[in-house]
Amino acid sequence: GQNIDQPTEMTATEGAIVQINCTYQTSGFNGLFWYQQHAGEAPTFLSYNVLDGLEEKGRFSSFLSRSKGYSYLLLKELQMKDSASYLCAVSSGNTGKLIFGQGTTLQVKP
Amino acid sequence: NAGVMQNPRHLVRRRGQEARLRCSPMKGHSHVYWYRQLPEEGLKFMVYLQKENIIDESGMPKERFSAEFPKEGPSILRIQQVVRGDSAAYFCASSPAHSEIRPAIGDGYTFGSGTRLTVV
Repeated sequence: GQNIDQPTEMTATEGAIVQINCTYQTSGFNGLFWYQQHAGEAPTFLSYNVLDGLEEKGRFSSFLSRSKGYSYLLLKELQMKDSASYLCAVSSGNTGKLIFGQGTTLQVKP
Repeated sequence: NAGVMQNPRHLVRRRGQEARLRCSPMKGHSHVYWYRQLPEEGLKFMVYLQKENIIDESGMPKERFSAEFPKEGPSILRIQQVVRGDSAAYFCASSPAHSEIRPAIGDGYTFGSGTRLTVV
């Protein structure tokens, strides 16, 4: 079957670094996404990894290990506005359908 | 360059009524996906469509739900005889084409603002 696991909640301090982990089991892996979703809003694209390694984009980085079925999203220099849910999603097969985890709610405190 | 447009943003229906949710993909995108997000839950895939074709409806409830993407106009998600359990946020996403039949996923995969359906 297909399964995506990520922590339900995390708390971090403004200015710090936080790592949000995601493990997955899926067939026909075709890439892993991270999205940010503020309450009541649409998911917004953060990163896409299809090959092993680290992708860096400003304060956000995403890592993928296909052999371990593991990814993480790294957020540096945390800001209050980074308080949101972070969604890990895997594309399985050729249709572009995404399988989402439950999301990790990150609370950034002063 | 408008993004994925969904309307209405909010929709209130009484039990037993019909709900029609509309989604216009980004310009140049020919693949449309519908997802549902129940309160306090993650997004769940419902259906994947190309123009005039339903490609994958494995996530659609067996009854009362249908979707279409006509040659002209937006994609429509239709829920007949709504019940309280249908209350959720419904998101549409679109992606461009990698080839005539395959979507190009990656950073082109974009979500609309969603329709929040409340059944009273």
